[in-house]
Amino acid sequence: GAVVSQHPSRVICKSGTSVKIECRSLDFQATTMFWYRQFPKKSLMLMATSNEGSKATYEQGVEKDKFLINHASLTLSTLTVTSAHPEDSSFYICSVRGSVNQPQHFGDGTRLSIL
Amino acid sequence: EDKVVQSPLSLVVHEGDTVTLNCSYEVTNFRSLLWYKQEKKAPTFLFMLTSSGIEKKSGRLSSILDKKELFSILNITATQTGDSAVYLCAAQSIQGAQKLVFGQGTRLTINP
Repeated sequence: GAVVSQHPSRVICKSGTSVKIECRSLDFQATTMFWYRQFPKKSLMLMATSNEGSKATYEQGVEKDKFLINHASLTLSTLTVTSAHPEDSSFYICSVRGSVNQPQHFGDGTRLSIL
Repeated sequence: EDKVVQSPLSLVVHEGDTVTLNCSYEVTNFRSLLWYKQEKKAPTFLFMLTSSGIEKKSGRLSSILDKKELFSILNITATQTGDSAVYLCAAQSIQGAQKLVFGQGTRLTINP
């Protein structure tokens, strides 16, 4: 069965809208979750590491005020794309990992389209 | 800067052929190498390799890691059309949150 639940799977909205994406760990408590972005026919680029109960760690070049991450519980992390613009259109994927010896498992992703 | 390079970027073969996908990495304080298969949605986990020279197998798929030469291969024998996908490899460091650095992926197409 699924290890990670990501919602919604698809969002189409107007420019200027803020969009929230949820990532839930179903099988275990996850102190760390990861958020990736994937452009068409490109690989996954890590955006940020979400840490339960503390601030997220953002990768170089990722605007933390643009991509707000909240990890309020051991099973839920959210990514909010604030004031989205067409260039934010992309495939956003979260992942969770049980322990350092275990692989990351990915959600089904959210395809975001900003008109 | 940590880097993962996959080759070939694209591969088209006929059903029944055997394919070998390559992955080389340069990662500070390397911990493990992971292979994923991505079809239309998110990547699904295939293998996690930590030790050098030990082959991991799952059905027609197998993978091995060479920590001296800093590469890994993924083999698929008797390919089927359902094997068509993008195969991603990722290297994990022991530092920090032990995040993954992904390669560009190999797009594998199996023709009937």
